[in-house]
Amino acid sequence: RKEVEQDPGPFNVPEGATVAFNCTYSNSASQSFFWYRQDCRKEPKLLMSVYSSGNEDGRFTAQLNRASQYISLLIRDSKLSDSATYLCVVIQDAGKLIFGQGTELSVKP
Amino acid sequence: DVKVTQSSRYLVKRTGEKVFLECVQDMDHENMFWYRQDPGLGLRLIYFSYDVKMKEKGDIPEGYSVSREKKERFSLILESASTNQTSMYLCASSSVPNRGGNYGYTFGSGTRLTVV
Repeated sequence: RKEVEQDPGPFNVPEGATVAFNCTYSNSASQSFFWYRQDCRKEPKLLMSVYSSGNEDGRFTAQLNRASQYISLLIRDSKLSDSATYLCVVIQDAGKLIFGQGTELSVKP
Repeated sequence: DVKVTQSSRYLVKRTGEKVFLECVQDMDHENMFWYRQDPGLGLRLIYFSYDVKMKEKGDIPEGYSVSREKKERFSLILESASTNQTSMYLCASSSVPNRGGNYGYTFGSGTRLTVV
């Protein structure tokens, strides 16, 4: 079983749609949680941290459920520029990043 | 602006060659990491280092070694390149973890290595 698992994707949605990505992690000792965005042939870049209380950044909302070991990302009012691969990332002991395999999002006009 | 620089964007090497991938960061970060990224497998950790001259194996260290002689530089070495090491290699660095922080993780732009 992978340590971090994500929706398989790809997700193809029209502009303006709301889309949700899910992620589960297996190590209950995981400390910190993030969503990264990776554009084609580019490096991953931090999109947002994920906190237990839930957090929002504009059209993006992230949620963490420690009891279920589940992380989500909601994108509202999708834009063409949101097309990318979204990576669920967990930090374990001593600062090791563990990545999910990523979910590809394609927003169409 | 925080920077992690990888020496080559694209590299083509022959089977059996010794290959060096260089990574330099200018943020005075303690931690440095090497990942490879392959379709369907995501990013996988090869090696990491928490300090000069320290190294730790990641999830897939076989066929690789690393060197960290200076704080700012972390080198990945393929002792004898093989075709199954064709991949995108990403270097990252981070600071000592702070409670609740994201450790300031920053990635380099990647090196796409092809072994023929």
